[in-house]
Amino acid sequence: QSAPTQPRSVSGSPGQSVTISCTGTSSDIGAYNYVSWYQQHPGKAPKLIIHDVSKRPSGVPDRFSGSKSGNTASLTISGLQADDEADYYCCSYAGTYTWVFGGGTKLTVL
Amino acid sequence: QEHLVESGGGVVRPGRSLTLSCAASGFTFGAYGMHWVRQAPGQGLEWVAVISYDESNKYYADSVKGRFTISRDNSKNTLNLQMNNLRAEDTGVYFCARETLVGARDFDSWGQGTLVTVSS
Repeated sequence: QSAPTQPRSVSGSPGQSVTISCTGTSSDIGAYNYVSWYQQHPGKAPKLIIHDVSKRPSGVPDRFSGSKSGNTASLTISGLQADDEADYYCCSYAGTYTWVFGGGTKLTVL
Repeated sequence: QEHLVESGGGVVRPGRSLTLSCAASGFTFGAYGMHWVRQAPGQGLEWVAVISYDESNKYYADSVKGRFTISRDNSKNTLNLQMNNLRAEDTGVYFCARETLVGARDFDSWGQGTLVTVSS
């Protein structure tokens, strides 16, 4: 299993929107609607922000949204805030009770 | 409020063994599948292993299969990871994580992690 591909970094100004892509294969992202996204601040544990491609857990602002097309999932963050600066990881179920994380994307809020 | 606390990390020589533990509280531990996820220094997350709520099913990443064993003790609300024949590439922070609910494919609660360093 190889890790889904994410851009190493993205950036945006406060108030703007950014989209982070996550490209996998027909064996993981393309095969299941089980894509989740995690936000990780430096030195902290990851936090679930999107599950099942586009669902937000309770307490996660609707500025965070997810989608999927084919083998590529995307996370969009609108109305960027300073606290959104963090690393973001996609994760896909890959069948037979295995999971794969993307390589991670560092978001910089300019 | 669910709480997960890992322990057992440390410095170990290549080829040796180490056991990590994760103490759970604030939820019905025995009702959830549990995972280990690791993160090498400065690198991304890597899924390591999963154990079902009743310990009947265990699955591993290819990178650790045959060397690591996941287990749990529902009477003690504890998750474990026995790591044998450790390699330098096993170095990293190990997180325990809870499946959001039975049958879910995501992780809604994480511990703060415990650092494992494999070095001679």
